[in-house]
Amino acid sequence: RKEVEQDPGPFNVPEGATVAFNCTYSNSASQSFFWYRQDCRKEPKLLMSVYSSGNEDGRFTAQLNRASQYISLLIRDSKLSDSATYLCVVYEYSSASKIIFGSGTRLSIRP
Amino acid sequence: NAGVTQTPKFQVLKTGQSMTLQCAQDMNHNSMYWYRQDPGMGLRLIYYSASEGTTDKGEVPNGYNVSRLNKREFSLRLESAAPSQTSVYFCASGEPQHFGDGTRLSIL
Repeated sequence: RKEVEQDPGPFNVPEGATVAFNCTYSNSASQSFFWYRQDCRKEPKLLMSVYSSGNEDGRFTAQLNRASQYISLLIRDSKLSDSATYLCVVYEYSSASKIIFGSGTRLSIRP
Repeated sequence: NAGVTQTPKFQVLKTGQSMTLQCAQDMNHNSMYWYRQDPGMGLRLIYYSASEGTTDKGEVPNGYNVSRLNKREFSLRLESAAPSQTSVYFCASGEPQHFGDGTRLSIL
């Protein structure tokens, strides 16, 4: 089982739709979680941190479910500009810090 | 407000040539990282440096060496380039990580 797994997609949804995707992680000791977005042929950019209580940034909501070991990203009222690959990132802090990137979920918003 | 700066942005090498990719950050971060990303694939960690003076192997270190020159700079060296090292290379710093805009490297 991969340490961090994401549905690769692609998710193809109409503009204005709500879309959500999950990311599962295998190590219950994982401590910090983030969502990044990566546009085609560009560098990954931090989208938002994921807090235990859930957090919102405009149209984006991130949630963490420690019991089931997954994080989620919800995008409301999707825009064409939301088309990108979304990467989940898990940090493990033990004897040595470990940062694990998921392979990403491709999202395509159609007009 | 440069953040993480990588040079060069593009490079074509012949098999067996050597080169060094440069990375500098101006955010006073302790940690720095080198990744490669092949087409349609995820990021794979090559080497990282938790702080000035330390470096550690990541997932795919073979064929690469690194130098943490000072707190700002972390370079990646290919001693004898191979076609399998054709990729996009990203440098990152800090936690959470901030990325440079990448070096596109082709080895013929």
